[in-house]
Amino acid sequence: GESVGLHLPTLSVQEGDNSIINCAYSNSASDYFIWYKQESGKGPQFIIDIRSNMDKRQGQRVTVLLNKTVKHLSLQIAATQPGDSAVYFCAENRGNNRLAFGKGNQVVVIP
Amino acid sequence: EPEVTQTPSHQVTQMGQEVILRCVPISNHLYFYWYRQILGQKVEFLVSFYNNEISEKSEIFDDQFSVERPDGSNFTLKIRSTKLEDSAMYFCASSEAGAYGYTFGSGTRLTVV
Repeated sequence: GESVGLHLPTLSVQEGDNSIINCAYSNSASDYFIWYKQESGKGPQFIIDIRSNMDKRQGQRVTVLLNKTVKHLSLQIAATQPGDSAVYFCAENRGNNRLAFGKGNQVVVIP
Repeated sequence: EPEVTQTPSHQVTQMGQEVILRCVPISNHLYFYWYRQILGQKVEFLVSFYNNEISEKSEIFDDQFSVERPDGSNFTLKIRSTKLEDSAMYFCASSEAGAYGYTFGSGTRLTVV
């Protein structure tokens, strides 16, 4: 079936460097995508979202890029901080408000 | 900032027992959801609830599962007869307008022994 997935399981990044997390999706009908951060023992925390009529959206230190041609989503974190260490999930709206999550990508920030 | 509150944070139950997981969604939200996450795996959709009825459910949400909004503030997930494979983190979420503005709770860790 169609699914959302992440390319890399773990990303180690030096504090202060930029991080890029990638996500591939296969449902071309999805019209809304969200990145979530999950810290140990906590629920998914909203980071940034993007609708399918956009290809880039910026937040505070985060940027999401959407490439509908190749069905690819990425999250860029600028000047990564120790507090950014977490698992990051992409999710897509499959319709009826049902979110489909990717497998998750662990980001480890090295001080 | 408004939060989705879940209780208990951890529940241990014996196989075959009934459990009720409780959630208090954000007060002005109209859409409510349950998701689960088996350890080390991705978050999976269970059920969505709107206007006092289930709007969608996944293949995981079988006859052993039920949801209820017994009053104006609580949203519960009941598992009638727990199995070992029901052990997971269960997340409640709510949203004001469909898929936009989803807010998740911190989860209930259910351990079935």
